Amino acid sequence: QQQVKQSPQSLIVQKGGISIINCAYENTAFDYFPWYQQFPGKGPALLIAIRPDVSEKKEGRFTISFNKSAKQFSLHIMDSQPGDSATYFCAAPGGGSTLGRLYFGRGTQLTVWP
Amino acid sequence: NAGVTQTPKFQVLKTGQSMTLQCAQDMNHNSMYWYRQDPGMGLRLIYYSASEGTTDKGEVPNGYNVSRLNKREFSLRLESAAPSQTSVYFCASSRGGSNEKLFFGSGTQLSVL
Repeated sequence: QQQVKQSPQSLIVQKGGISIINCAYENTAFDYFPWYQQFPGKGPALLIAIRPDVSEKKEGRFTISFNKSAKQFSLHIMDSQPGDSATYFCAAPGGGSTLGRLYFGRGTQLTVWP
Repeated sequence: NAGVTQTPKFQVLKTGQSMTLQCAQDMNHNSMYWYRQDPGMGLRLIYYSASEGTTDKGEVPNGYNVSRLNKREFSLRLESAAPSQTSVYFCASSRGGSNEKLFFGSGTQLSVL
């Protein structure tokens, strides 16, 4: 079964700072690593995802960095804003007998202070 | 542009009662999923359906059953609710499999007393 370990559990950053959230996975059938963002009372929504034929993907202030040999990937939020305050989940697809499943980390609650 | 619709939004049950959570998507997606979300535990997969007519167990299937009624609808049934099933339940769908974007519903807050 896929294990996805996410850290830190919570993160407090000042406005304008950099937020960094890390994830590690065990194995996967697909090279596809998404990050989901969830606001209180809402369902998660895809923020950014990487299919690592590249080691980094950037969309605006959000960047995924991927290290295939270490089985780790991270989310960087540059110039963090109060509107970024949310819970962030990394995820990885299962492989082998768990093919078809998407496994999530336990989440990181990000608070950006103005 | 409804996306994924879940009903009900809130439900309170007594231990031993049964209920069905409904989910429907209007995006012609093949795959559908049921997750539960508990504080500090993230999102855990209960059941998923890769395509119409197929269902498979996820990480935490005990105490639940599902039905993929047609391509649009995927329901989750609690036959005999237990306090441990108090949670927020999310339905999701994707065009293909787990390596594609998941679209989530707004969730069902379930309390079992």
